[in-house]
Amino acid sequence: KQEVTQIPAALSVPEGENLVLNCSFTDSAIYNLQWFRQDPGKGLTSLLLIQSSQREQTSGRLNASLDKSSGRSTLYIAASQPGDSATYLCAGHEETSGSRLTFGEGTQLTVNP
Amino acid sequence: KAGVTQTPRYLIKTRGQQVTLSCSPISGHRSVSWYQQTPGQGLQFLFEYFSETQRNKGNFPGRFSGRQFSNSRSEMNVSTLELGDSALYLCASSLGYGQSEKLFFGSGTQLSVL
Repeated sequence: KQEVTQIPAALSVPEGENLVLNCSFTDSAIYNLQWFRQDPGKGLTSLLLIQSSQREQTSGRLNASLDKSSGRSTLYIAASQPGDSATYLCAGHEETSGSRLTFGEGTQLTVNP
Repeated sequence: KAGVTQTPRYLIKTRGQQVTLSCSPISGHRSVSWYQQTPGQGLQFLFEYFSETQRNKGNFPGRFSGRQFSNSRSEMNVSTLELGDSALYLCASSLGYGQSEKLFFGSGTQLSVL
């Protein structure tokens, strides 16, 4: 059974700092991977999707990479802002599970002004 | 283009009752998935529908059921509610079915069981 671990569970940084969030899978047979953001009591906002044939994706100040051989992904946030404060979740599609996503427990990020 | 719409936003029920939650996917999307989110268990997959057929099911008791209509709208039903069913229920839609699909989530229905 696939399990997803996100490190750290919580992170507090001053505004302007660059930071890295980590995500790892017990089974490296991940087809593709999505990073999401969740604000308190709200739904999930899709940030980046890395397809099976890709190694990384970039959107603005966000960059996500995927190393399928090791079952690891990282989300890099450049020049963090207070508005980036949220919980960040990674989720993977397994090759035989259709559209089903397996989620990590998330990293709660606080960016202090 | 409207996003995924879930109704109602909040719901309060008592133990033993049943509840129906609704999800309207993004226009043109044909796949709808449901997830349960709790502080202790995180996000867990309930089921997925594509073209009115359940394609995938998570490890939940039979009290949890769902369906999808011909317009791709979906409902999920929980019968004989238990306190542990209190959770945020999230619906996601995608264009099609499969591992390469990008999922878009709604804002969720917050269910409280008293």
